Amino acid sequence: GAGVSQSPSNKVTEKGKDVELRCDPISGHTALYWYRQSLGQGLEFLIYFQGNSAPDKSGLPSDRFSAERTGGSVSTLTIQRTQQEDSAVYLCASSFSLAVGGGELFFGEGSRLTVL
Amino acid sequence: GENVEQHPSTLSVQEGDSAVIKCTYSDSASNYFPWYKQELGKGPQLIIDIRSNVGEKKDQRIAVTLNKTAKHFSLHITETQPEDSAVYFCAASGPYNFNKFYFGSGTKLNVKP
Repeated sequence: GAGVSQSPSNKVTEKGKDVELRCDPISGHTALYWYRQSLGQGLEFLIYFQGNSAPDKSGLPSDRFSAERTGGSVSTLTIQRTQQEDSAVYLCASSFSLAVGGGELFFGEGSRLTVL
Repeated sequence: GENVEQHPSTLSVQEGDSAVIKCTYSDSASNYFPWYKQELGKGPQLIIDIRSNVGEKKDQRIAVTLNKTAKHFSLHITETQPEDSAVYFCAASGPYNFNKFYFGSGTKLNVKP
């Protein structure tokens, strides 16, 4: 497809389990972002990948959260030992670099995580 | 770091009226200010953006104004239609990493037919 693809679209898990969320960005986009959106809230920055540079992990809320981006394309956000407060929609976005005239973020439809 | 505040959190207007959403930012080094519209169950989508070298930008019924001195920018929607009903987010580019965006908390716009 032409857009950003995220999977799964919905995930229900038990407290303490690990989950993996996947993002397929738009081909050719060098930047990839993860945001978290809690019910009725704004977008909370989690992590940002740009090309081959070290990722900006400054938004990750705890060491239970990690993300990787393989081959400059697909990204996986991993949450270990999930807690109820992790319940949210996790949005992935990709873009060209703002430095080269890009900047528009193209968002996926999100992965809704529910921790029971 | 950058702090973006957005008001109001909810806005209800009659179809055909105008809607204005306002945002302030904290760091004068920010230079790119996009607005996103999020419909229910979907990811946010860019509707308009402005860079700090201009004060106003218009696209049909949507306009954005920027006041760099006061560090605030606003979204104006004229002749609102029911399909404008959505959540709108403002954002500012991070001052030390121009690809990092800070989002406002969102405004839920309801256009009543």
